[in-house]
Amino acid sequence: KAGVTQTPRYLIKTRGQQVTLSCSPISGHRSVSWYQQTPGQGLQFLFEYFSETQRNKGNFPGRFSGRQFSNSRSEMNVSTLELGDSALYLCASSWGVDGLQNEQYFGPGTRLTVT
Amino acid sequence: GQNIDQPTEMTATEGAIVQINCTYQTSGFNGLFWYQQHAGEAPTFLSYNVLDGLEEKGRFSSFLSRSKGYSYLLLKELQMKDSASYLCAVRELYNFNKFYFGSGTKLNVKP
Repeated sequence: KAGVTQTPRYLIKTRGQQVTLSCSPISGHRSVSWYQQTPGQGLQFLFEYFSETQRNKGNFPGRFSGRQFSNSRSEMNVSTLELGDSALYLCASSWGVDGLQNEQYFGPGTRLTVT
Repeated sequence: GQNIDQPTEMTATEGAIVQINCTYQTSGFNGLFWYQQHAGEAPTFLSYNVLDGLEEKGRFSSFLSRSKGYSYLLLKELQMKDSASYLCAVRELYNFNKFYFGSGTKLNVKP
């Protein structure tokens, strides 16, 4: 079956702008998680959506937000971009149901550069 | 929250065995995962432990001791393609499907 897809793959934005990233999970998966990956901080959890509801949230400012649609596709938005937001943004999908292993399948990521 | 520690970098020889350690401190534990990430690529799932003991999957094995907050990933018969970063991730008990990742261990396999 098709893997997790993310668009766009690369983005260059200017400080103060906003950006929207998109993620399509593996068919049947209802959980979508977002991560920020930087060389210094590693993979940091942003939030998780399950059945259109934010179920978990990491320690990021309110400039980072997301949503999930009825088909489980998810979007992440970052407003008022800062230089420090430059990173690889990964989304991961899983079944998200208790009792299952729930390993995560990652998309290829969106490389965001803020100038 | 969680605190997860892994060595930053390791080097091993092709054909050898290498053990990558991961220690964690947690307020609630609900499983430990290992992922492999090649440079410029997305992480891919390797193994899962939720009970104490060893899980074996071909050349890769993973061990967990919950009482010690300790896990390791064992790679046997190393191949050049095993050069990658290995990420240890812990799932929270009280926030289902919330994961904390270590910074990763970069493994260099030399001929």
